[in-house]
Amino acid sequence: ILNVEQSPQSLHVQEGDSTNFTCSFPSSNFYALHWYRWETAKSPEALFVMTLNGDEKKKGRISATLNTKEGYSYLYIKGSQPEDSATYLCARNTGNQFYFGTGTSLTVIP
Amino acid sequence: DAGITQSPRHKVTETGTPVTLRCHQTENHRYMYWYRQDPGHGLRLIHYSYGVKDTDKGEVSDGYSVSRSKTEDFLLTLESATSSQTSVYFCAIRDRPNTEAFFGQGTRLTVV
Repeated sequence: ILNVEQSPQSLHVQEGDSTNFTCSFPSSNFYALHWYRWETAKSPEALFVMTLNGDEKKKGRISATLNTKEGYSYLYIKGSQPEDSATYLCARNTGNQFYFGTGTSLTVIP
Repeated sequence: DAGITQSPRHKVTETGTPVTLRCHQTENHRYMYWYRQDPGHGLRLIHYSYGVKDTDKGEVSDGYSVSRSKTEDFLLTLESATSSQTSVYFCAIRDRPNTEAFFGQGTRLTVV
């Protein structure tokens, strides 16, 4: 029931580049898929909660899509900025339980 | 910021001693979670609660117990701490199953 996988594990991009990450998860017993942003020495903060197949959500330069039938979600960052440097976590929600992937660490080089 | 406080923030303890970490919330949220963060593993679920006195195990529950006697407090106890339990522990709260979680500041526990 766990098996939330994220790729790549880490990523370095130049300021201004656009980038994307992948979260894959078992498609059975799906309830919701969450994305969190986690800056060093801080606590994770929610970006998106996605529940429906085909969902697309956007917050500023960050957006996410969801495919529940094939079990994946993409997170996109357009025009990366140094302040986007963080670890991006996805989490699979199966009702009461809430399991995280190991995250994608993004470093944006000025 | 969500009203969620973890205590203590830092603790050093000796192997074999009992340790209790506290998560306190002022949001009246139903769900509370304890995670541990270790390099290469991300956040792993230890135990969670879906109501007062309603708790269940997560993926790494061995060596840990929890209690929730009132809505606002969720306690994590290491009955006999081991060095493998050295970690950063995060508490999270959530109002409903499909809503975002809010995290505490974390507790850094070192078992020597």
